[in-house]
Amino acid sequence: QSVLTQPPSASGTPGQRVTISCFGSSSSIGSNDVYWYQQLPGTAPKLLIYRNNQRPSGVPDRFSGSKSGTSASLAISGLRSEDEADYYCAAWDDSLSGPVFGGGTKLTVL
Amino acid sequence: QVQLQESGPGLVKPSETLSLTCTVSGDSISSGSYYWGWIRQPPGKGLEWIGSIYYRGSSYYNPSLKSRVTISVDTSKNHFSLKLSSVTAADTAVYYCARLLVGAARFDPWGQGTLVTVSS
Repeated sequence: QSVLTQPPSASGTPGQRVTISCFGSSSSIGSNDVYWYQQLPGTAPKLLIYRNNQRPSGVPDRFSGSKSGTSASLAISGLRSEDEADYYCAAWDDSLSGPVFGGGTKLTVL
Repeated sequence: QVQLQESGPGLVKPSETLSLTCTVSGDSISSGSYYWGWIRQPPGKGLEWIGSIYYRGSSYYNPSLKSRVTISVDTSKNHFSLKLSSVTAADTAVYYCARLLVGAARFDPWGQGTLVTVSS
C-alpha cells in the first residue's frame, strides 16, 4: 500500500483536460514539495513536474501541477494520444525520512 | 548530459544476494550536489524507493527494506552499487538507479532499468 494515494485510472478523449489527484499527509505533501513522473509503456519514469508546479525544460505547458494542503493535482490539457502513460506523484516524507510515491494512475486516451 | 546505466545479473536464486551497479556518465558522483539512489518496480506495480547514498558514503534506506539493503559508492569508478540480501520472489522487479536531491523526491535522470527475477 503506497503512502501517497492516487486513483488507479483516468481517461479522456483527445483535446480534453484531465486531472489526476494525489493525497498525502502532513508529514509528506503537507510539509514538502510534490513531484510528478510520467512513465510511458516499457520505459523508465521521467520527471514531469518538480517543486509542485515547475516544468523541466522540454515538458509541454499542457502539463501543470498544483498543491494545496496535503493534496496535489496534475492537470493535462489538450490531451493527446502520446500522453497515454502511467503517472506517479512523489514527495519527501518527514516521518519516514525518505521519498515516497503514489501508487500510480494509468491514463487512457480514448 | 547525465546518463545512468544499471548492470548486474538478471536472475538470482531465492535466499541469495542481489547485486547491481549503476555507472554514471556526464556527471561526477563526487560533485557533491546530489545523492544517488535505487528504486524498484515489481511487474505491473508501482514504484518503491529502496535507498540513497552520498559520495562521502552516508546512506539512508527505506525502513521496510533496511535490514536487507546495503548501498555503496566507488568514486574512482564513478559508480554506486546495491546489495539486497535474502531475496524472495517478492523482490522480482525492474530496478532503476537515479540521481536525486536530498530532502526531496526529485529523481532525475533515471537509468533505463534492469529486470531482476528471483527464481530457482
